[in-house]
Amino acid sequence: QQQVKQSPQSLIVQKGGISIINCAYENTAFDYFPWYQQFPGKGPALLIAIRPDVSEKKEGRFTISFNKSAKQFSLHIMDSQPGDSATYFCAALKVGNQFYFGTGTSLTVIP
Amino acid sequence: NAGVTQTPKFRVLKTGQSMTLLCAQDMNHEYMYWYRQDPGMGLRLIHYSVGEGTTAKGEVPDGYNVSRLKKQNFLLGLESAAPSQTSVYFCASSQPQGRADTQYFGPGTRLTVL
Repeated sequence: QQQVKQSPQSLIVQKGGISIINCAYENTAFDYFPWYQQFPGKGPALLIAIRPDVSEKKEGRFTISFNKSAKQFSLHIMDSQPGDSATYFCAALKVGNQFYFGTGTSLTVIP
Repeated sequence: NAGVTQTPKFRVLKTGQSMTLLCAQDMNHEYMYWYRQDPGMGLRLIHYSVGEGTTAKGEVPDGYNVSRLKKQNFLLGLESAAPSQTSVYFCASSQPQGRADTQYFGPGTRLTVL
């Protein structure tokens, strides 16, 4: 059973556009929600993360929006660039437990 | 700092053969993890360790064994490889959850079982 559901599976965006990736979870015990970025042939790397006590976190062009009541969170990439083309994974963690990852979104930014 | 390193980078096995994947980290992290990554499945946790000498099962532990004899190393073993174990394997490490939740991943090992 997938603990974290991620959509879409793939996404194509024009350069300068906004990329939006969504995740949903069921376990209300999760208390940490990171996003990882993975380039081909590399391991995932932490991009940005949020805790459920805030509704939004922004770091440069990357923003996480968090809706605790809906048990959903999303990654927004503003002014998307070709260098952002990668696979993005959302994840959820209950402290003291294990990380659960979404199935990934392959983002392609067209010049 | 090398971060998290994995050995080997690629390996081809025949069904029934055994092998050990080595993960090493130089960040003095307490926690270490082994994941497998398959198309459309994301990252799934195989086993993890919360400290030297301890291991625990993750989401998909069957067919794998692990050992953490030294804090900096985490070994993943396949005793009798099966084609279903063809995958990319990632090791990760972190500080104890709650102190620093970032997981640092290695570059991966691509394993093919024929």
